[in-house]
Amino acid sequence: NAGVTQTPKFQVLKTGQSMTLQCAQDMNHNSMYWYRQDPGMGLRLIYYSASEGTTDKGEVPNGYNVSRLNKREFSLRLESAAPSQTSVYFCASSVGPPGINEKLFFGSGTQLSVL
Amino acid sequence: AQSVAQPEDQVNVAEGNPLTVKCTYSVSGNPYLFWYVQYPNRGLQFLLKYITGDNLVKGSYGFEAEFNKSQTSFHLKKPSALVSDSALYFCAVRDGNSGYALNFGKGTSLLVTP
Repeated sequence: NAGVTQTPKFQVLKTGQSMTLQCAQDMNHNSMYWYRQDPGMGLRLIYYSASEGTTDKGEVPNGYNVSRLNKREFSLRLESAAPSQTSVYFCASSVGPPGINEKLFFGSGTQLSVL
Repeated sequence: AQSVAQPEDQVNVAEGNPLTVKCTYSVSGNPYLFWYVQYPNRGLQFLLKYITGDNLVKGSYGFEAEFNKSQTSFHLKKPSALVSDSALYFCAVRDGNSGYALNFGKGTSLLVTP
């Protein structure tokens, strides 16, 4: 029962470097999300994908890009990392768009430090 | 606009005692309310939700929450706490009339002592 798998688990970058966080789910879910978690601030939505082929900005999209590669995979890219992007990143998925059956399944997170 | 507040950074309770983790919310439309739990170095796990219907919602691991519209609250409760309940608890809200984004509270750390 893999659920939502994120790679890598840890990453250290220098300012200006780029990287891609990978996420895959094996639950045949339609919707996928990227959140960041910062101390004392809860989780904030970066981008989401309601279904394969669509992506939309969330609350804090600046400095990030996403790709919904197929139904299973949703990647998050930092083109030029900044110290403000130091955070823990969580990928999540759900059966469908928000509604009566709404329930998110989360990956175990990627801890990113930008020096 | 939607927001959620968890007024307590930490809640301490002795094992076997009842626990309450507080949450208040603000939405302009119909509130969809959620509780998630996060254990160390893990992603969040769904506990329970209120969409419509009974104000008392039962969820996983013996937790329940009561939706109170007049007080705009959705407090998480458990009659008898376990040491294994120690974790970080997040309340979240979404305006059921619009949008995808869940607004999460900043989290409340629950410590259950033997």
